[in-house]
Parts: sequence; C-alpha cells; structure tokens
Amino acid sequence: NAGVTQTPKFRILKIGQSMTLQCTQDMNHNYMYWYRQDPGMGLKLIYYSVGAGITDKGEVPNGYNVSRSTTEDFPLRLELAAPSQTSVYFCASSQIQSNYGYTFGSGTRLTVV
Amino acid sequence: AQSVTQPDIHITVSEGASLELRCNYSYGATPYLFWYVQSPGQGLQLLLKYFSGDTLVQGIKGFEAEFKRSQSSFNLRKPSVHWSDAAEYFCAAGGNKLVFGAGTILRVKS
Repeated sequence: NAGVTQTPKFRILKIGQSMTLQCTQDMNHNYMYWYRQDPGMGLKLIYYSVGAGITDKGEVPNGYNVSRSTTEDFPLRLELAAPSQTSVYFCASSQIQSNYGYTFGSGTRLTVV
Repeated sequence: AQSVTQPDIHITVSEGASLELRCNYSYGATPYLFWYVQSPGQGLQLLLKYFSGDTLVQGIKGFEAEFKRSQSSFNLRKPSVHWSDAAEYFCAAGGNKLVFGAGTILRVKS
C-alpha cells in the first residue's frame, strides 16, 4: 500500500501564481484533511472532507480551495499565491472511526517569492 | 475553543535518560488523544493513541502515555531515550478533526 501520496514534494511559486497540490490515498478512507505546518505553530487545519462531494473549512481556509470528486483524491488549490502561504503542507486521511488516527503524506514544501 | 498546549518548545536529554513530554488539552468532552513524531523532512508518524479504557497506553518505539482527566493532560514518556529518538513530537486531540499542539523538539546528547 502506498498510503497517502502527495505531489510535488517541493515547489517555488512567484507571487500571484496559482498551483494545485495533489493528494491521493489508496486506503478507501472517507475522511481527508489538509494541514499547513509553520515553525513553532504546529499544524493548522485548512480544509477537510468527510466523503466525496463534501468539503468544509478548517481553521485557516483563506487563500485556498479544495474539491473532492472521488474518495481517493483531495487536491488543494492556491489561486493567487502570497508570501504568507510559504509553508509545509500535509495531507492526511482517516477512517470514519477517528480513533484510528490519521495517516499522513510526506508533505509538500512550498515557497512563495 | 479547543486547544492543545505543549509547554516545552525544546527539550534536551542525555542518551539513556528518561523522558517526559507534556501535553494539556482544552476540549468540551474527553477527546481522542494522540502523539505523533516527525523526523526532519518527513511526515508525521503515529506513536500512540487514547480513546477510552486503561489510562496508560503503550505505543511504538517503547513510548507510553498517561491520560489524566483531572489535569486534562496526556504526557508522553520513555524510560530510556536513544539517539534515534531525536525528532519533533506533536500531541493532538479531537474527534474527526484533530487539533495539534505546537510541538516539542527533542534533542538527545551522547
């Protein structure tokens, strides 16, 4: 099993550019999440999804969009990149019963210049 | 608001010494509780979890954690630290959406 796969691993964007961070899981998990990690701040929830076609905002959704057309895929879209979006982004998934915890991808390091 | 506090940003211990990392949570009810570990440049790996029952839970790599409802705490412990334990540790709490603490960076000196 590949688990949760994120692409790309690294990316440099110019201010105002757009991009999509890809996330795919092969565990048939219904719940999927996007977090950003900044030094000394822990992980902050951007968006999450409880199943195909259902998404909701987390703690820091501004500047991002998501879609969930299939159970497997949960891409994160940055429309107008800003320096404040420089961060490490993690995708995660979990079973319906959340006491199993999350399975995390290996992350995408994004720099906006 | 739900929150998780890890009071120690950095901790340094000698190899072979015992370790305790602190975690306090603020939540409406007893949440599910987790500890994750992150090595540099890697994703987060689940160490252990608590959701009910015995308040002392065992995890991977020789770690354990104790849930104390009266103190809203879920501290992580290890009797003897190895150099390979150097990493950043995150406590998390919640239901279907987890709230993470800011993390504690563990340094191990030989």
